[in-house]
Amino acid sequence: DIQMTQSPSSLSASVGDRVTITCRASHNIRDFLNWYQQKQGKAPKLLIYGASILQSGVPSRFSGGGSGTEFTLTISSLQPEDFATYYCQQSHSSLMYSFGQGTNLEIK
Amino acid sequence: EVQLVESGGGLVQPGGSLRLSCAASGFIFSRYWMTWVRQAPGKGLEWVANIKHEGSEKYYVDSVKGRFTISRDNDKNSLYLRMNSLGADDTAVYYCVRDSGYYSLGYNYYALDVWGQGTTVTVSS
Repeated sequence: DIQMTQSPSSLSASVGDRVTITCRASHNIRDFLNWYQQKQGKAPKLLIYGASILQSGVPSRFSGGGSGTEFTLTISSLQPEDFATYYCQQSHSSLMYSFGQGTNLEIK
Repeated sequence: EVQLVESGGGLVQPGGSLRLSCAASGFIFSRYWMTWVRQAPGKGLEWVANIKHEGSEKYYVDSVKGRFTISRDNDKNSLYLRMNSLGADDTAVYYCVRDSGYYSLGYNYYALDVWGQGTTVTVSS
């Protein structure tokens, strides 16, 4: 099984800040890595697939990078609506997916 | 409008069974893999199971193997999750999710792009 580990688990930041969340895979998953945003009480929303490809309609301040075992999600200038929990998810392992534990992004 | 609507959640006693349903609309259901993802109270997302377009392939997380069965009826545009021998650890919101393949630079990238609103399963005596 492929284990996904995110860091940090929580993060406090201010509107306008640049923030980066890291996701590490226990095995090489090439670029089969997705990022999701979940707001309180809502279903998750796909932000990025293929490690760096922005889903349609997602603001360009979101970007993804990395390959192999280390990946990043960067928000270039935080907006009030970006405060949420973010999850990475690997889609490499024969469709037996796994998620990271999540990163809670809070307002400082 | 592309939509997934779950139903069937509720309160069930330990050891009991429950069947979740998911009604799909706004897209050609039979062309997509479908997935169940759950989220325990205050916890992260956990992939539970998925099923291929015509139902020939099914995969499960280890913790539910032998207890849960995923199925689909493409004529009814519906996805199901039969859950047996339920325990407290199965208490969660269960999401029905569409798994889409995005083709880019010679590769098919799969991602969970459409989510239902979730249905809550509570296992308690």
